Amino acid sequence: GNSVTQMEGPVTLSEEAFLTINCTYTATGYPSLFWYVQYPGEGLQLLLKATKADDKGSNKGFEATYRKETTSFHLEKGSVQVSDSAVYFCALRGIYNQGGKLIFGQGTELSVKP
Amino acid sequence: EADIYQTPRYLVIGTGKKITLECSQTMGHDKMYWYQQDPGMELHLIHYSYGVNSTEKGDLSSESTVSRIRTEHFPLTLESARPSHTSQYLCASSGLTGANYGYTFGSGTRLTVV
Repeated sequence: GNSVTQMEGPVTLSEEAFLTINCTYTATGYPSLFWYVQYPGEGLQLLLKATKADDKGSNKGFEATYRKETTSFHLEKGSVQVSDSAVYFCALRGIYNQGGKLIFGQGTELSVKP
Repeated sequence: EADIYQTPRYLVIGTGKKITLECSQTMGHDKMYWYQQDPGMELHLIHYSYGVNSTEKGDLSSESTVSRIRTEHFPLTLESARPSHTSQYLCASSGLTGANYGYTFGSGTRLTVV
């Protein structure tokens, strides 16, 4: 079945450092891929998405490229801020939709120090 | 503004009490979901609905029940709360078919059973 694997956290960075959070997936065909962010005490918010191979999703300085050949969707940001401290979830939605359900990774906690 | 609302945000309740967690959305979405989020952050789908009078159990077995009498309303009920039910509960909705669309999440209810 479909699955998503994220790098384990917590990830601790200094302000202005480069961020990469790895995400790989297993799915049939070409699923749509998503990154969600959860700030402390809140629900999840959609950060960015990509719906076909080689698409790049971007938002708020974050980017992720849909790599079919490596089944990956790594999240990157060139210069993190303290306000980026949150939990990040990678997710996929299969082409067969499985009833429209998103499959989430286990989440990666990011802590950015001043 | 179209959104999804969860109440209460925080609830502390004694063992054996019956509780209902409310979730309402004003977007006219057909699909709605309940997730339980453990302290390790991982999300577990416990219930979902494709529309009025449709409810299905999710991937994680739960003693809670849900109902969907109106499109906008998807409450979750625990008949007899126990300390093992202590968790964060997140409600989400999705209105569009196809793999390109993600979820909109509520802010969550943090439940503590003492």
